[in-house]
Formats: sequence, C-alpha cells, structure tokens
Amino acid sequence: AQSVAQPEDQVNVAEGNPLTVKCTYSVSGNPYLFWYVQYPNRGLQFLLKYITGDNLVKGSYGFEAEFNKSQTSFHLKKPSALVSDSALYFCAVRDRESGGYQKVTFGTGTKLQVIP
Amino acid sequence: NAGVTQTPKFRVLKTGQSMTLLCAQDMNHEYMYWYRQDPGMGLRLIHYSVGEGTTAKGEVPDGYNVSRLKKQNFLLGLESAAPSQTSVYFCASSLRPLPEEQYFGPGTRLTVT
Repeated sequence: AQSVAQPEDQVNVAEGNPLTVKCTYSVSGNPYLFWYVQYPNRGLQFLLKYITGDNLVKGSYGFEAEFNKSQTSFHLKKPSALVSDSALYFCAVRDRESGGYQKVTFGTGTKLQVIP
Repeated sequence: NAGVTQTPKFRVLKTGQSMTLLCAQDMNHEYMYWYRQDPGMGLRLIHYSVGEGTTAKGEVPDGYNVSRLKKQNFLLGLESAAPSQTSVYFCASSLRPLPEEQYFGPGTRLTVT
C-alpha cells in the first residue's frame, strides 16, 4: 500500500522569504515522488519528481524538493517566495513495486498563500 | 498544442440522469487517466487506459464506465448519476507509464442534485 500525508492545510509566507511545503509518504518498497501545483480553476501542473539518484531535485519555477529516506519525507522548497506562487500544492507517491497498475496516490493538498 | 482539453466545463444533473465527459489530447500520449477531486481528499483515480482500445479500473471505478476508441480521446460515462458523484473531474495523459509526469486538463465541475 502507498500513502502520502501533507500535514498542513495552509502555509502562509511573506513575499521574498523562503517557503517549505511538507510531505511525508509511506510505501512498502521504494518510492517515486512528485509535486504538482494547481492554480484556481485549472488542472494540476507538474513541478518535479524524484526517481533515483541525487536527493535534491530541482524543478520548474525555482522550486526544489529534498528526498529524505530516513524521515520518509519529500518537502518542497523555494528560496524566495513570489506572490504568483500562491496556489494549491499536491505531493504524490508511487511505490516502485506497483507493477503495471498505473496509480499515483495524491495528498490532500496544501494551500500556499504568499503575502505581499 | 492545446494539450489536454475537457468538455463540458460545468454540468448539473438530476439523480438518475446519464452523461458523458469527453477528454481529448493532442500530444500523441499513450496513457490517459480520469480522476475525481473532492474537498479534503486529494485526487482519486477512477479509470485509466494504457493505449487505444484498452481500459482498466482505478481505485474508485464504481458507477463509471470509460472508453478509448481513439488514441486521442478518453470518455467517462455516468449511466445513472448519484449525488455522491458530485465532484470535479480531471482528465490527464502521459507519454509513458508512471513515473512519467502527467498532463492535466482544466477539469469538469459536475453537480448531481
């Protein structure tokens, strides 16, 4: 079984400050991990993913995420927040042992509010 | 490229009515997916397709049917709508199987009264 948790429903950060959106996961094997962003009335957009290799993954719009196997976490970060980063962020996980079943488990989402 | 498009954008149904949601992609992607998004629950996979003419059940398939007669289209049908199917429905596609990133459509907001 695979699951993902986003412990914060909302994160508020001042423009220009660093931001972190938290994600923890649970899989029986090793994970593939993803971050997606959803702007109001739009579909989800891919930000970045962890497959293997370097634990620090860089993605779109200056975002990055750090895979931490011991803490089973994949937190999303950005050094300097922009007002335009305000959106709903989803973490997702897929167990490498899932075989052909095409399922990614999404978290419940974290609303990021960047305050001018 | 239009990417992934969905029609209609909004729909209100009465209990027991039927409807079909259309998803189209112009990226020549093999894999297509239907999700529903409910408050506080994230996205849940309804059905998916790994290629033209194929479909498979996701985690919440009951009450829905799908068809993939053409590679670029993936249809989601509700034969007898129920209030529990009130949701926002998203279609997605990917070129290759997971963990390939998915491209999402703008969504269809369905209300069943």
